[in-house]
Amino acid sequence: EVQVAESGGGLVQPGGSLRLSCAASGFTFSSYAMSWVRQAPGKGLEWVSGITGSGVVTYYAGSVKGRFTISRDNSKNTLYLQMHTLRAEDTAIYYCAKGRGDGFNFFDYWGQGALVTVSS
Amino acid sequence: DIQMTQFPSSLSASVGDRVTITCRASQGIYNSLAWYQQKPGTAPKVLLYAASTLESGVPSRFSGSGSGTDYTLTISSLQPEDFATYYCQQYYSTLYTFGQGTKLEIK
Repeated sequence: EVQVAESGGGLVQPGGSLRLSCAASGFTFSSYAMSWVRQAPGKGLEWVSGITGSGVVTYYAGSVKGRFTISRDNSKNTLYLQMHTLRAEDTAIYYCAKGRGDGFNFFDYWGQGALVTVSS
Repeated sequence: DIQMTQFPSSLSASVGDRVTITCRASQGIYNSLAWYQQKPGTAPKVLLYAASTLESGVPSRFSGSGSGTDYTLTISSLQPEDFATYYCQQYYSTLYTFGQGTKLEIK
């Protein structure tokens, strides 16, 4: 059974840093692209960042480029999102999402989400 | 970035109704479009991909169509469990983008 599960959310002050993790199981992790998608309270979905199965190629939304870094450890079946210089507008539930393949693709499995709150 | 305009933003309907939600891309996306359903407090769930391919396990009352820049999601006969928020997503570009969402409510 495919499972992805986020951890690492919490309360952080503006300007602070936080790292999210996503543990994956039930599939050959290195064969699939992964992404982070966020949802601010009461708002819609926003794709944040993606990474290919090998980890060589990464993509970022303009709103986080230069502040967030996506990475993966295929030996640990884990996806990461390192977030720096956090702003109030980064407050959201962050979902880890598995791509259907390793290329441009939709998301077929999602985690339950990790809440990140940026506030003083 | 490819912008996705989804409408309507909300819709009231009754059990048994046929409803249609539309998504328009700012440029051609060559059927690289998925539809998701999200219920409160839960993660989104994919319903269709490649504009019209039904994901395994999704009821056949859901269907998708379209080409070029314009795409639609149709629910042929609404069931009580279908009241939720629906999103489209383009994956033609790796700068993936979602529509703003359509909240489907019970009339």
